[in-house]
Amino acid sequence: IAGITQAPTSQILAAGRRMTLRCTQDMRHNAMYWYRQDLGLGLRLIHYSNTAGTTGKGEVPDGYSVSRANTDDFPLTLASAVPSQTSVYFCASSHNGGGGTDTQYFGPGTRLTVL
Amino acid sequence: GQNIDQPTEMTATEGAIVQINCTYQTSGFNGLFWYQQHAGEAPTFLSYNVLDGLEEKGRFSSFLSRSKGYSYLLLKELQMKDSASYLCAIMDSNYQLIWGAGTKLIIKP
Repeated sequence: IAGITQAPTSQILAAGRRMTLRCTQDMRHNAMYWYRQDLGLGLRLIHYSNTAGTTGKGEVPDGYSVSRANTDDFPLTLASAVPSQTSVYFCASSHNGGGGTDTQYFGPGTRLTVL
Repeated sequence: GQNIDQPTEMTATEGAIVQINCTYQTSGFNGLFWYQQHAGEAPTFLSYNVLDGLEEKGRFSSFLSRSKGYSYLLLKELQMKDSASYLCAIMDSNYQLIWGAGTKLIIKP
């Protein structure tokens, strides 16, 4: 069982380019999340999905979009990347979402640099 | 506003005990989580507290006082592999996690 996988592991991107970060989980978890982690700051929630077909905005959603077409996949898209989006991006999942306390499990992360 | 405070960095000696504190002010409370994160890796779950008191799990224990907005993570018999960042997170009234910036723990021989 792989748990949560993310791709790519790292990426250097020119400003203005479009980029999609991929996230797949095989635990049949209902809820999925995208965070960014920057030095000196806590993990910040970008977008989340409590169940397939639904998404919601987190603390820092601007410049990002997500979709949840099925249970397993939760891609994050940067429509036009800017240098301030340089960060480490973590995808996470939990069995429940939006109505219960549940442990979140994290993917290995994608290190993104926007030049 | 929402605020979670942890010390930025702590140093301890192999074999010793260390206590990492976390204080918080959040909109609602549905539990407190501690995660461990080794450099360059993903956070991994350590413990969860929702009621006041101490939860013990092997060498790690976590304490919660809801009235004081305070928690600590206690690590006993420190090993070199415990060198990592320790993240405190609160589940708020919307069942979203609010994260502290983390405490980097350095273990010296």
